[in-house]
Amino acid sequence: QSVLTQPPSASGTPGQRVTISCSGSSSNIGSNTVNWFQQLPGTAPKLLIYSDNQRPSGVPDRFSGSKSGTSASLAISGLQSEDEADYYCAAWDDSLNGWVFGGGTKLTVL
Amino acid sequence: EVQLVESGGGLVQPGGSLRLSCAASGFTFSMYWMTWVRQAPGKGLEWVANIKEDGSEKYYVDSVKGRFTISRDNANNSLYLQMNSLRAEDTAVYYCARRFFDYWGQGTLVTVSS
Repeated sequence: QSVLTQPPSASGTPGQRVTISCSGSSSNIGSNTVNWFQQLPGTAPKLLIYSDNQRPSGVPDRFSGSKSGTSASLAISGLQSEDEADYYCAAWDDSLNGWVFGGGTKLTVL
Repeated sequence: EVQLVESGGGLVQPGGSLRLSCAASGFTFSMYWMTWVRQAPGKGLEWVANIKEDGSEKYYVDSVKGRFTISRDNANNSLYLQMNSLRAEDTAVYYCARRFFDYWGQGTLVTVSS
């Protein structure tokens, strides 16, 4: 059982916009920033979004992050087949004194 | 170019020990928090431990406290994870990552089994 809650799966067709949610509490998302990661099959995770809504250099602007209260969301617009991957959210938890991750969302491009 | 290269994984019996290493290059290692994250087969990501730039602060997930020790050698740009009293549930790919996970290594597999 992960501290941050994500839907186990999501799907969309090419060109569509998809959102993935991440729900937490006041001790993590509610008081700290959220990072999002993309993990392609058989590879290491890659940072997609940091500080709630900032994109590292090289990440397409099709990917965007937002946060409200104790929940965060990752939006992917103009869905492409290469976006098929697992997506994880993470945040520092002040009560646990450690990083907590969501359980991951498997995105399928139909 | 930032590079993180883990090593030291392998097969170990329950109760055994293993020391993982992470060789860093392409950035000023001594200026960054460093982190270990693991991923059990077919499962999600789990933060294991992290260490401050100078090693003065260390944090661990509850399940490894008292068994794992994170350390670093800034002179040699290296991060370590000493794992003792290993259990089957520690079986995972272990990744080292920089700061808030902006760069990751390729991972090293630890298998705990008799």
